[in-house]
Amino acid sequence: KAGVTQTPRYLIKTRGQQVTLSCSPISGHRSVSWYQQTPGQGLQFLFEYFSETQRNKGNFPGRFSGRQFSNSRSEMNVSTLELGDSALYLCASSRDVNTGELFFGEGSRLTVL
Amino acid sequence: AQSVTQLDSQVPVFEEAPVELRCNYSSSVSVYLFWYVQYPNQGLQLLLKYLSGSTLVKGINGFEAEFNKSQTSFHLRKPSVHISDTAEYFCAVSDPRDDKIIFGKGTRLHILP
Repeated sequence: KAGVTQTPRYLIKTRGQQVTLSCSPISGHRSVSWYQQTPGQGLQFLFEYFSETQRNKGNFPGRFSGRQFSNSRSEMNVSTLELGDSALYLCASSRDVNTGELFFGEGSRLTVL
Repeated sequence: AQSVTQLDSQVPVFEEAPVELRCNYSSSVSVYLFWYVQYPNQGLQLLLKYLSGSTLVKGINGFEAEFNKSQTSFHLRKPSVHISDTAEYFCAVSDPRDDKIIFGKGTRLHILP
């Protein structure tokens, strides 16, 4: 059974650009969550999607957005990139809501120059 | 709102020695509690979880944790560590009514030869 797949694994952007990250959950999983991981702040919750609807959102500016498709695949977008957006972006899927168990991908490492 | 505090950012321990990684949480309601592990250059993997029932929870790789409601703690223990346990460990909490899982800032476990 394939795990959570995130693409791209690494990317470099410059300030002001925008970026789109993709996440394919484990087959049969309908919930997808996104986290930003940085050395200083640790893991911070971005948002969660279930059946194409955003169920929860963290405290990030509107430059951060996401969506989920009917096949449960999810994308997140960051517009007008800032240096502080450099981070590892982790996607996690779960079979359903409130299961308490997340399955993580290996992340997309974004560097903003 | 829930929060999680991991009291130690780094813990060095000799191989085959016991280890305890500390975690305290705050919440006004009953919670679910988790420990995740992140090996270098990988995503997070669930070690164990407490949803209800017995306060002593056993997980993978010989780890266990004890839920202490009066002290609002969920410390992770292993009686004898191996070099392969070198990783970062994250404690997490969620409100069963709300699927958002909040992570602590992590504890790096260094195994000394």
